[in-house]
Amino acid sequence: QVQLVQSGAEVKKPGASVKVSCKASGYTFTSYGISWVRQAPGQGLEWMGWISAYNGNTNYAQKLQGRVTMTTDTSTSTAYMELRSLRSDDTAVYYCARRGILTGTWYFDLWGRGTLVTVSS
Amino acid sequence: EIVLTQSPGTLSLSPGERATLSCRASQSVSSSYLAWYQQKPGQAPRLLIYGASSRATGIPDRFSGSGSGTDFTLTISRLEPEDFAVYYCQQYGSSPTFGGGTKVEIK
Repeated sequence: QVQLVQSGAEVKKPGASVKVSCKASGYTFTSYGISWVRQAPGQGLEWMGWISAYNGNTNYAQKLQGRVTMTTDTSTSTAYMELRSLRSDDTAVYYCARRGILTGTWYFDLWGRGTLVTVSS
Repeated sequence: EIVLTQSPGTLSLSPGERATLSCRASQSVSSSYLAWYQQKPGQAPRLLIYGASSRATGIPDRFSGSGSGTDFTLTISRLEPEDFAVYYCQQYGSSPTFGGGTKVEIK
């Protein structure tokens, strides 16, 4: 079954870091990239960045540059997103989504179910 | 950054009616790299349309997309009960952005 399975909900204090995982199955992991998208409570979708599972190239949203790191482990077909120096406005559901690598295929055709990250003192 | 503006914010319609959703970009979207997603409460978004007008796998043909340049439209020809949801447009260039969403609610 083609799917992305994300890690469970997290509660963090301001200033801490969080690392969310996204395990792919049912397709060739290195033939695609993984994008990360977050959604604050009651709000719209915000693209955070993406990583190529083929060669590890990354592209981060300018707003998050310096606070976010995306990595992959091809041996386990798992992608990771680490966000540091957490603030209350980082409270959101974090989604991973599959993205094509070839030009013209950069839409997000498969999504994980989301991971709720709550930042609270 | 390409800003996408969706209208209307909320669309109140009855099952069986036609829904027309608009997405306007602040600058031309290259090569029609425009997608539409559907999101229901508590669920992840689902890809409906890519390349402005191509339906994703398994998407019913009552969903259609059109447009180019800066103006794009998602049309649902006859609303089914399961179509009431929030719809987002997205440009998927090198730095993707999403519109603010249109909620299609039951009238």
